[in-house]
Amino acid sequence: DAKTTQPTSMDCAEGRAANLPCNHSTISGNEYVYWYRQIHSQGPQYIIHGLKNNETNEMASLIITEDRKSSTLILPHATLRDTAVYYCIVRVVSNTGKLIFGQGTTLQVKP
Amino acid sequence: DSGVTQTPKHLITATGQRVTLRCSPRSGDLSVYWYQQSLDQGLQFLIQYYNGEERAKGNILERFSAQQFPDLHSELNLSSLELGDSALYFCASSVALAGETGTGELFFGEGSRLTVL
Repeated sequence: DAKTTQPTSMDCAEGRAANLPCNHSTISGNEYVYWYRQIHSQGPQYIIHGLKNNETNEMASLIITEDRKSSTLILPHATLRDTAVYYCIVRVVSNTGKLIFGQGTTLQVKP
Repeated sequence: DSGVTQTPKHLITATGQRVTLRCSPRSGDLSVYWYQQSLDQGLQFLIQYYNGEERAKGNILERFSAQQFPDLHSELNLSSLELGDSALYFCASSVALAGETGTGELFFGEGSRLTVL
């Protein structure tokens, strides 16, 4: 599975959009981009995933560049409850299914 | 609530002891995954079972073992415990393998916090 690079930490003002970048320059054609988050010592929670098209759900939007070497997770209106560690993971949806977590980005939403 | 249940939530034991952590996956999920999260190592994949059989292995120590039972619940056994085994242990489940229904999403439980004194 391809490696990802994320900033260690970011701040965001409550009510503003939080844009979390992820670099995955060695991503393969059959690898998806997944985003999970972990709110203080809780189990990680799935947010969104995509292959090459932009994706949106009730939690967030995922923007993947045309060359697929980077992506951005957007939380449109961040709240204090969005304070968490956000993990960007790229992987093939294979028969092992496991996720390999990096260090992630600690997002602090401030009032 | 992810639907994945882990017990116990907290466990305190002494070095050299053995403990068993239990995981009940979401109804219908065939795959179970175990992860360890310690302060200095982040989330580490340990092992995966699919429908009772081992499917993938990660950084699992020889002192640790796991199994998945016919009713699909899983147990992680940790023996000869050391101080460094103190961590959060997460179980996750997913619906199926690729090619079957599902998005490849893993659903995580709330974890079992193990403290070794």
